[in-house]
Formats: sequence, C-alpha cells, structure tokens
Amino acid sequence: SQTIHQWPATLVQPVGSPLSLECTVEGTSNPNLYWYRQAAGRGLQLLFYSVGIGQISSEVPQNLSASRPQDRQFILSSKKLLLSDSGFYLCAWSAADEQYFGPGTRLTVT
Amino acid sequence: GENVEQHPSTLSVQEGDSAVIKCTYSDSASNYFPWYKQELGKRPQLIIDIRSNVGEKKDQRIAVTLNKTAKHFSLHITETQPEDSAVYFCAATPGGSYIPTFGRGTSLIVHP
Repeated sequence: SQTIHQWPATLVQPVGSPLSLECTVEGTSNPNLYWYRQAAGRGLQLLFYSVGIGQISSEVPQNLSASRPQDRQFILSSKKLLLSDSGFYLCAWSAADEQYFGPGTRLTVT
Repeated sequence: GENVEQHPSTLSVQEGDSAVIKCTYSDSASNYFPWYKQELGKRPQLIIDIRSNVGEKKDQRIAVTLNKTAKHFSLHITETQPEDSAVYFCAATPGGSYIPTFGRGTSLIVHP
C-alpha cells in the first residue's frame, strides 16, 4: 500500500532563516505531488504541484520554491522565511483523481 | 477556473442528529467530487467521493449526493457522534486535471 512521509513534524524558525521541508511517497510510481499550506483555522492553499521529475508548477508567487529531484521526493524550500510563512504545510500525492495527504509539518516563524 | 462554494462555515448539532454540508461548483467539466475530514491538528482524510456518473453514494452513516444540472453536491451524516466533530472540506476536480479546487471548509461540532 502507499505511504506518504513528511518531515520534520514541527519546526520553529526565525524570520530570515532558510527552510527545507521534505516529502516522500512509498508504494507507487510517478505520482502527482502537491504542496499545500493551511493557515490557522483556514482552508487549503495550493502552493506547488508536480506531474514528474523536474516538472514544477507554481500556483502562488511568493518566496517559496519547490523541487522534485526524484520520482517520489518533493521538497519545499525558502531562502528567507517571513512571518507570514507560518502555517501547516501538507504534502499530498495522487495517481489519478484521489488525493492523499501526508501528516504535515507545522511551521512557526518567530 | 473552477470555483467551489461551501456552506455553512460552522454547523452545530446534537449527538444523534443529522448534519448536511452543501457545496456548489462552477465548472461543468468537473467530474470528481471528494470530501475530506480534518480533525484538529491532523491531516485531511478522504472519507467519501463521488463521480459525475453517479447521483448518490453511501458508506455507513455518511452519504454524498450530486446534482450535475444544478452543479451542487452535499455530504450527509446521520446519527452524528462526538467523534464526527471536525472540519469537512469538499472539492471538485475537472476531468483531465490533477488539481482539485477545495471549498473553505465547514466546522462541524457535535454536542454530546
């Protein structure tokens, strides 16, 4: 069966510091991969999605970037964090229509 | 692009009552409609979905209905229990797209 991992689970970072969040999927090949952000008490904001290695589409212009160096690995990065980057970051995968979320990383920027 | 409206934003019911959450969508090309349940501090979990060739789908106490003509779909939870308390999100995905559009969520509170 398929499993999706994210790490770290929680992260506290100062403003201006870099960020790297990692997501990996097991048990499937060539998944579609997604990064979402959820602010406290809010909905799901799609940040990036990828349909294959090296193929990244950005939905929202901001100081974040994404990379997919391997088929089942998706990385979210920032060179300099802003206070507004705080939130719950969710990676998701899909093979067709059905989308499944990872456990999430709770990021607090101080 | 697709636009999904979800109502109500908050729903408070007594244990044992039924709960209904409604969503409307704008893109007639949408053909896949999932519902997610997100408990506090956890990931959204896919609980039920429906495709455009089906009008209703049921799984124990939850059911989803779809009206393609009116472009709306609903989640029905019967005999609610306190553990049903969570935020529920609907979504719509156009055929051939990998990108669902989510509603803003409904916070369901079930009082014991």
